[in-house]
Amino acid sequence: AQSVTQLDSQVPVFEEAPVELRCNYSSSVSVYLFWYVQYPNQGLQLLLKYLSGSTLVKGINGFEAEFNKSQTSFHLRKPSVHISDTAEYFCAVISTQGGSEKLVFGKGTKLTVNP
Amino acid sequence: NAGVTQTPKFRVLKTGQSMTLLCAQDMNHEYMYWYRQDPGMGLRLIHYSVGEGTTAKGEVPDGYNVSRLKKQNFLLGLESAAPSQTSVYFCASWGRMNTEAFFGQGTRLTVV
Repeated sequence: AQSVTQLDSQVPVFEEAPVELRCNYSSSVSVYLFWYVQYPNQGLQLLLKYLSGSTLVKGINGFEAEFNKSQTSFHLRKPSVHISDTAEYFCAVISTQGGSEKLVFGKGTKLTVNP
Repeated sequence: NAGVTQTPKFRVLKTGQSMTLLCAQDMNHEYMYWYRQDPGMGLRLIHYSVGEGTTAKGEVPDGYNVSRLKKQNFLLGLESAAPSQTSVYFCASWGRMNTEAFFGQGTRLTVV
């Protein structure tokens, strides 16, 4: 069964500092990987996705993530964060094995950007 | 998100009451999902469906039932609501030809 582990529940950083939010997944089959962002009292917004091809994926708002199959990781990075990046970030995986495409989420990482 | 609509958006129930949440999508997606979101727990999968007439249990199915009689609708039912079911519920849909899941705006349910 697939699962997602987000290694940090909270990440505080200062404005303009770099940030990495870590995500590991467990699945024995091919997967699609996603990062979603949720601002307070709002729904989920897709940041970026890995389907196939280049392992470095660029998303919205200056975020990028790197798929590492050998380490089963999909860490999210941004070189310089803004106050407006304060939000909760969710990593998600869906296996592409036919017939049972469950979309499973991690527990989330709360990113707080301080001035 | 255009294409996935949840009703209602808010609801307050008394313990023991029943209700049904509706998720409707107009994108002809095969897969639909129901999640609950609680602080510190992320989104936990309650039930999901891989096609019309099929349903399957997710991580936290107890206390909930679902039905998918029509491809575009996925219903989540609470037969006898409990305070532990106070949560925000999200519905999502996914199509084999799509590259991302689409989410509804959420339903905030409070059971008193």
